[in-house]
Amino acid sequence: DAGVIQSPRHEVTEMGQEVTLRCKPISGHNSLFWYRQTMMRGLELLIYFNNNVPIDDSGMPEDRFSAKMPNASFSTLKIQPSEPRDSAVYFCASSLGQLLSYNEQFFGPGTRLTVL
Amino acid sequence: GNSVTQMEGPVTLSEEAFLTINCTYTATGYPSLFWYVQYPGEGLQLLLKATKADDKGSNKGFEATYRKETTSFHLEKGSVQVSDSAVYFCALINMSNDYKLSFGAGTTVTVRA
Repeated sequence: DAGVIQSPRHEVTEMGQEVTLRCKPISGHNSLFWYRQTMMRGLELLIYFNNNVPIDDSGMPEDRFSAKMPNASFSTLKIQPSEPRDSAVYFCASSLGQLLSYNEQFFGPGTRLTVL
Repeated sequence: GNSVTQMEGPVTLSEEAFLTINCTYTATGYPSLFWYVQYPGEGLQLLLKATKADDKGSNKGFEATYRKETTSFHLEKGSVQVSDSAVYFCALINMSNDYKLSFGAGTTVTVRA
């Protein structure tokens, strides 16, 4: 099993540029989560999808952030325009289970984003 | 709301030393408690869990006991190895009022040979 795959692993961009982070969940999993990890705020849940539908996006910091899940095997997190304060490690996680219930989440290796 | 407080790091130990990382929580009802580990350059992995009071979770020589009377879930290992160097996160989920994991700030542990 390949686990959760994220790309790119590292991204360096300039302020104002569009950034797209990608995630391939574990095959067969029906829930997908995007997290952001910073020193100041720790690990924060940004958005949660179940069966490709966004269920809870209350953690998305502002309109510059958007996430999509066009099919069960792919999701994107986009930041447009990016700002230096968006610099963080972004994790994708997936799980198998019922809507709004806890099931073990399997995390990807993360994308380290640096916005200059 | 639900919250987790864990001891600040970093923690530096010698091989074979005893490790304790304190974790306390605030939650109504009966949350489930977890320890996650993040090795350098990797995502978080579930290390162990406990779903009710007095349960003991264990894995890879690590243990933690769910203590409702002290609202704690301290992580312990009797003899650490260099390979245990990682960031450890305490977390909870309280299905009575939320389905989301609430994470502590993480504790960085470095084990020296």
